[in-house]
Amino acid sequence: TQLLEQSPQFLSIQEGENLTVYCNSSSVFSSLQWYRQEPGEGPVLLVTVVTGGEVKKLKRLTFQFGDARKDSSLHITAAQPGDTGLYLCAGEVGRTYKYIFGTGTRLKVLA
Amino acid sequence: DVKVTQSSRYLVKRTGEKVFLECVQDMDHENMFWYRQDPGLGLRLIYFSYDVKMKEKGDIPEGYSVSREKKERFSLILESASTNQTSMYLCASSLPRGGLGYEQYFGPGTRLTVT
Repeated sequence: TQLLEQSPQFLSIQEGENLTVYCNSSSVFSSLQWYRQEPGEGPVLLVTVVTGGEVKKLKRLTFQFGDARKDSSLHITAAQPGDTGLYLCAGEVGRTYKYIFGTGTRLKVLA
Repeated sequence: DVKVTQSSRYLVKRTGEKVFLECVQDMDHENMFWYRQDPGLGLRLIYFSYDVKMKEKGDIPEGYSVSREKKERFSLILESASTNQTSMYLCASSLPRGGLGYEQYFGPGTRLTVT
C-alpha cells in the first residue's frame, strides 16, 4: 500500500511566524498536488508540481517537489489567520486518474 | 464558477439501511470520484468513474456501489449501512488528465453517521 506521510500532524503558531509542512513517501509520483480544506468545505487545489526539484510560489506559500519525486514541502512565510486549515498533499500514481492523499496537517494561526 | 454539489451536508441513518449519496457537477467533467475522509487517514478513494456507466474500484470499495447514468451525476450507494461507514464523504470531479495531472474539484462533503 502506498502511503504519504505528512508532518507535523498538528501545528499551532502565532501570526507572523514561518512554518514548513512535509509530505514524504517511499513511492515515486508523476505529479504532486497540495490542497487546503477549511471546516465544512471540500479541499481546494493550491498547486500542482510535476518536475523533480520544481519550486512554485503562490504569494507567501512556497512549494517544492523533491528531486526524486518522492517527497514535497510547503513553506508558509509570515503566516496569517486566513492560512488556518487542513493542508493535504496528494501524489499521482503513474499517469493515471489515481491520487494518493496524505494524512493531513492541521494548521491554526493565532492572531 | 465551477460547482460540485452534494445532496446532503449531514445524514443520520440506522444500521442496515440502504443509503444514497448524490453528487452533481456543472462543469461537464468526464471524471467523477467518491472519497471518504477520516481523521489521520486523509482521503481514501472508494470509486472512480471516467464516463457514463463506467466505473472502477478505488482502494476501499467494499460495502459500497456506485451509479453514473448521466454525465453530471454520480451516486454512492451503501447497500446495508454499518457503523464503520460513519465518515465524511467527499465527491470530486475533473477533466481527463492533462499535462499537469488532474485538478479535482470537490463538493462540500456529506457527514454520514450510522447508528
